[in-house]
Amino acid sequence: DGGITQSPKYLFRKEGQNVTLSCEQNLNHDAMYWYRQDPGQGLRLIYYSQIVNDFQKGDIAEGYSVSREKKESFPLTVTSAQKNPTAFYLCASRAPRGNLAEAFFGQGTRLTVV
Amino acid sequence: EDQVTQSPEALRLQEGESSSLNCSYTVSGLRGLFWYRQDPGKGPEFLFTLYSAGEEKEKERLKATLTKKESFLHITAPKPEDSATYLCAVQESLYSGGGADGLTFGKGTHLIIQP
Repeated sequence: DGGITQSPKYLFRKEGQNVTLSCEQNLNHDAMYWYRQDPGQGLRLIYYSQIVNDFQKGDIAEGYSVSREKKESFPLTVTSAQKNPTAFYLCASRAPRGNLAEAFFGQGTRLTVV
Repeated sequence: EDQVTQSPEALRLQEGESSSLNCSYTVSGLRGLFWYRQDPGKGPEFLFTLYSAGEEKEKERLKATLTKKESFLHITAPKPEDSATYLCAVQESLYSGGGADGLTFGKGTHLIIQP
């Protein structure tokens, strides 16, 4: 079955630690996205990538980093510079822009700072 | 100022009681409006895409409509399994500043259907 897989489902981070969230898709989509969701807030765009080896900052990129070495994979690193990382993180992918296709989402990773 | 505003924030209905959720937007060039359903602790699930004013789409008990300023998600005779948060998102035209190519989401409407 085609889809987007995020792992882990739950992640705990100590103060000052970097952690990496995994996102893999087998939909053959070019574009991939990372969103952050907080209670009472809409989804906010962190980073996006429209093609391998290229990515752009979204609205709240500070304290985060990404890579896009393979079409299927778009990992997100939450660095120690992100002062309030506790949130629900969602990865999404879309078919090429010209089709204005819907975004497909993974099941999310809940990150908690301990 | 929010570009996408959903109302109400929360809505509690009895089973079978029809109602509508609203999504208003202020982007100047709309390429598309998307509706998603999100269950607790899960990723959003795609429901509909609307492209132009006057367009309507239906799926089971749900019907989405679009005007130049807002979209409605009508829920007819809802069942408890329709309980979820419903998210609205817009895709702006690149020529009106939508350079990120991502979707701009509203905060959602939390819908509870009581048996």
